[in-house]
Amino acid sequence: EIVLTQSPGTLSLSPGERATLSCRASQSVSNYLAWYRQKPGQAPRLLIYEASTRATGIPARFSGSGFGTDFTLTISSLEPEDFAVYYCQQRTNWPLTFGGGTKVEIK
Amino acid sequence: ELQLVESGGGLVQPGGSLRLSCAASGFTVSSNYMNWVRQAPGKGLEWVSVIYSGGSTYYADSVKGRFTISRDNSKNTLYLQMNSLRAADTAVYYCARDYGVYAFDVWGQGTMVTVSS
Repeated sequence: EIVLTQSPGTLSLSPGERATLSCRASQSVSNYLAWYRQKPGQAPRLLIYEASTRATGIPARFSGSGFGTDFTLTISSLEPEDFAVYYCQQRTNWPLTFGGGTKVEIK
Repeated sequence: ELQLVESGGGLVQPGGSLRLSCAASGFTVSSNYMNWVRQAPGKGLEWVSVIYSGGSTYYADSVKGRFTISRDNSKNTLYLQMNSLRAADTAVYYCARDYGVYAFDVWGQGTMVTVSS
């Protein structure tokens, strides 16, 4: 099973600041890495797939990068709705796995 | 509009069974990779099962032999039959679509399953 480790566990930032989230895989996942945002009480929403492709309707402030084992999600300027939990996910091998999540909270 | 609506959750005793349903609209279940993902209270996301467009199925080790994923093409609906339920199965269960990009672009609102005596 491929383990995805997200860091940091919690990120304390102010609106308008830049957020950088990390996801590290225990073995290569090529570019089959996705990112999701989950607000309290809601289902996750796909932000990025194939490491760097924005999903439909996702604003340009979200960007993804990386290949192999190291990936980054960057939010260039935090909006109020971006304070939430973010998960990475791989589907190179079964079982499909998620990272443990990074919570972005208001400082 | 692409939409998934789950139903069938509830309170069940350990060892009991439950069947979850996920009705799709705006797209065809049988043409996509359809998944179940769960989230225990206060915890992260855990993938549970997938059914491919061709009918192949895969399961997480934690549910293998107890859960069965299926679909009814005539109803455009996905199912999860859950048997021998344990307290550790308590979670919100989401159905989600993967249209081939190895990520889930459409999610249901979730249905809560509580396993407790």
